Amino acid sequence: DTGVSQNPRHKITKRGQNVTFRCDPISEHNRLYWYRQTLGQGPEFLTYFQNEAQLEKSRLLSDRFSAERPKGSFSTLEIQRTEQGDSAMYLCASTGGQGAQPQHFGDGTRLSIL
Amino acid sequence: GDSVTQMEGPVTLSEEAFLTINCTYTATGYPSLFWYVQYPGEGLQLLLKATKADDKGSNKGFEATYRKETTSFHLEKGSVQVSDSAVYFCALSARRGGSEKLVFGKGTKLTVNP
Repeated sequence: DTGVSQNPRHKITKRGQNVTFRCDPISEHNRLYWYRQTLGQGPEFLTYFQNEAQLEKSRLLSDRFSAERPKGSFSTLEIQRTEQGDSAMYLCASTGGQGAQPQHFGDGTRLSIL
Repeated sequence: GDSVTQMEGPVTLSEEAFLTINCTYTATGYPSLFWYVQYPGEGLQLLLKATKADDKGSNKGFEATYRKETTSFHLEKGSVQVSDSAVYFCALSARRGGSEKLVFGKGTKLTVNP
């Protein structure tokens, strides 16, 4: 169990640029989640994949955000035309099995918009 | 919608003091409940969980009991250590829609002084 891996750890970019984050879940986990955490708040759900299918998206996920999980392995989260309000920690989590299994989190990618 | 309310922090205690962090929830149905911990510079880690009413989750000296009648899941530890200094998040697993996404409280920062 090598844990959930996220890259990069920190991304600094100018407003209006596109950014892409990657998440590598624990290998046998078929369920993958993206969350966003701002300072002083708990993580908020963004989207959910079961294998390669994106089954749920939060209303927080504007049309500038897109996520993929090709072949049901790693996942990417892309933000187009970044805005100041996108500055946050983006967390990925994975789990396997059925029902409410504990989710294993990566260390996150911190996005800073200049 | 589903929500979690945690006591506001920060909480500062002396070593060996008793800890309680209050958590109450609002949910449709019977969610699973979790406490996650985030140590400085690290990702979220599962501390303990409970999946049904009257279950007690425990780990590393921490305990929490799922109280359906009061919709609460308070975290307790009899004697805290400096190494327990961290941010603690209460969360529920929302079963509607099948994703089992987590809904988090805002977090409570705990500092334990020697």
